[in-house]
Amino acid sequence: EAGVAQSPRYKIIEKRQSVAFWCNPISGHATLYWYQQILGQGPKLLIQFQNNGVVDDSQLPKDRFSAERLKGVDSTLKIQPAKLEDSAVYLCASSLGAGGIVYNEQFFGPGTRLTVL
Amino acid sequence: AQKVTQAQTEISVVEKEDVTLDCVYETRDTTYYLFWYKQPPSGELVFLIRRNSFDEQNEISGRYSWNFQKSTSSFNFTITASQVVDSAVYFCALKKTGTASKLTFGTGTRLQVTL
Repeated sequence: EAGVAQSPRYKIIEKRQSVAFWCNPISGHATLYWYQQILGQGPKLLIQFQNNGVVDDSQLPKDRFSAERLKGVDSTLKIQPAKLEDSAVYLCASSLGAGGIVYNEQFFGPGTRLTVL
Repeated sequence: AQKVTQAQTEISVVEKEDVTLDCVYETRDTTYYLFWYKQPPSGELVFLIRRNSFDEQNEISGRYSWNFQKSTSSFNFTITASQVVDSAVYFCALKKTGTASKLTFGTGTRLQVTL
């Protein structure tokens, strides 16, 4: 079974530029997550989708970050404009469902390492 | 609010030594899940274990074992007879039950196993 795919794996941009990341979850997984992992810290959830609807985006800096999952499968995360403090690894994860009575494990992709100069 | 503390930033051991990674958590929820993930240099987070707050039984899986103590809010992870391939960053995480609750991660412990 193919895992969570992400691209690009690495991206270097200058501040104030725009950047987009792509995620393809495991086939059949309804729930998709984007995490930001700053160096030396644990991942922090930015946004959670259930199919193509947003479940939680409370920690997404909405003035510069946006994410969409139009057809309930692939997702893109965009930063516009980027700041120096956005340098981090952006991890995508997916699970069968969001959980509840039966817990569904989250499976993580390899991440995209963003460097903002 | 939920919080996970991993006080050990970095641990170095020689191969075949046993090593314990500490995890202390804070939550006001009565039901929750605890996790351990491994992050090798490739960057992908690898799921190791999930425990339900109702189940305080310790668990052993090969060289790995976990000690969950609700009384001290701790969920420690021990690797027996460590190997070089165990070198990675290990994260402890907490999630309350419910569909929209998120994983709260600790800051991680970097384990370096040398020959």
